[in-house]
Amino acid sequence: GALVYQYPRRTICKSGTSMRMECQAVGFQATSVAWYRQSPQKTFELIALSTVNSAIKYEQNFTQEKFPISHPNLSFSSMTVLNAYLEDRGLYLCGARDEGAAETLYFGSGTRLTVL
Amino acid sequence: GDQVEQSPSALSLHEGTGSALRCNFTTTMRAVQWFRKNSRGSLINLFYLASGTKENGRLKSAFDSKERYSTLHIRDAQLEDSGTYFCAAEDGSSGNKLIFGIGTLLSVKP
Repeated sequence: GALVYQYPRRTICKSGTSMRMECQAVGFQATSVAWYRQSPQKTFELIALSTVNSAIKYEQNFTQEKFPISHPNLSFSSMTVLNAYLEDRGLYLCGARDEGAAETLYFGSGTRLTVL
Repeated sequence: GDQVEQSPSALSLHEGTGSALRCNFTTTMRAVQWFRKNSRGSLINLFYLASGTKENGRLKSAFDSKERYSTLHIRDAQLEDSGTYFCAAEDGSSGNKLIFGIGTLLSVKP
């Protein structure tokens, strides 16, 4: 079946430092990867949508300069939170879909970021 | 305002009983997905609907794009059904962007 592995599960970083999270699709081709964040007391909000062979599209309030994303092939994507501060804490989820095969978006278990 | 309004925010059920969760949309959505967040934090896919209804075991979901709502019915609730349930709708004008509801915390008690 289709699975999405995301790592690390949890990470703690000092304010002003950066951290990278990775997302791997297993059992299908991740032609489209979406990164979401759930901040404390909030629901999930889309950071950016990455489709292979297309430019990565960032949502309002999120920028490539702050959240650079790499989607080099059909099974892997990574996102970095640069210069993290308290407001960046939360659960980061990657959701992947094979555009040509299924409508369902499959999610990883998330990376929980704590900023000290 | 919020495009996806999910209710209730919390729900307590006794084992064996049932209830329904609902998401109302402020605009026409192309499709809806329902997820359950398990104890490990993973989002488990429950349903994907572009229209109509789907049933899987004790769960049944419906989506009416024209009337702008979706429901998730749970019957004969079991302890392991406890968790947070999310609906997420695809706004067709924004590509594959999913807009999440706030979630429903379901507690099933003996």
